[in-house]
Amino acid sequence: DIQMTQSPSSVSASVGDRVTVTCRASQDISTWLAWYQQKPGKAPKLLIYAASSLLSGVPSRFSGSGSGTDFTLTISSLQPEDSATYYCQQTNTFLGTFGQGTRLEIK
Amino acid sequence: EVQLLESGGALVQPGGSLRLSCAASGFTFSNYAMSWVRQAPGKGLEWVSAISGRGGDTYYGDSVKGRFTISRDNSKNTLFLQMNSLGAEDTAMYYCAFRGTSGRGYWGQGTLVTVSS
Repeated sequence: DIQMTQSPSSVSASVGDRVTVTCRASQDISTWLAWYQQKPGKAPKLLIYAASSLLSGVPSRFSGSGSGTDFTLTISSLQPEDSATYYCQQTNTFLGTFGQGTRLEIK
Repeated sequence: EVQLLESGGALVQPGGSLRLSCAASGFTFSNYAMSWVRQAPGKGLEWVSAISGRGGDTYYGDSVKGRFTISRDNSKNTLFLQMNSLGAEDTAMYYCAFRGTSGRGYWGQGTLVTVSS
């Protein structure tokens, strides 16, 4: 099984800050990685797929990068509505295992 | 338009069984591996199980191995999850999902399973 390790588990940042979340796969998954945003009581929302492809309608302040085993989600200028939990997911052969999640709090 | 519609969630007693279904439309169902994902209240997302397009290969997370069985009926564009020996730890929202050719994921809206006496 492919294990996904996400860090940090939580982060607190101010509006306008640049925030980075990292995700590491236990084996090479090429660019088969997705990032999701989830707000309390809501279903997960896909932000990025194939490591760096931004889903239509997602603000351009979100970006993803990486390949192989190391991946990054970056929010370039944090907005109040970005307060949420973020998950990475490997999509190597099918929608598979998730990282543990990163809780993002706005100061 | 891709649509995934889960059903079958319910309140079930510990030790009981339940069968979830996911009706798919808007894509060639048999071409894609399908997955079940769940989220327990207040917890993170957990991949549960997956099945190849033709159904010949199945995969399970450690927490459900031996208790859950994934299957599909490609003639009816439907995915199933048979859940046996249910415990409180299986209480969750269950989603069906798949990865499109480009890598984009598609999810249903979920069906709620509650295991309680």
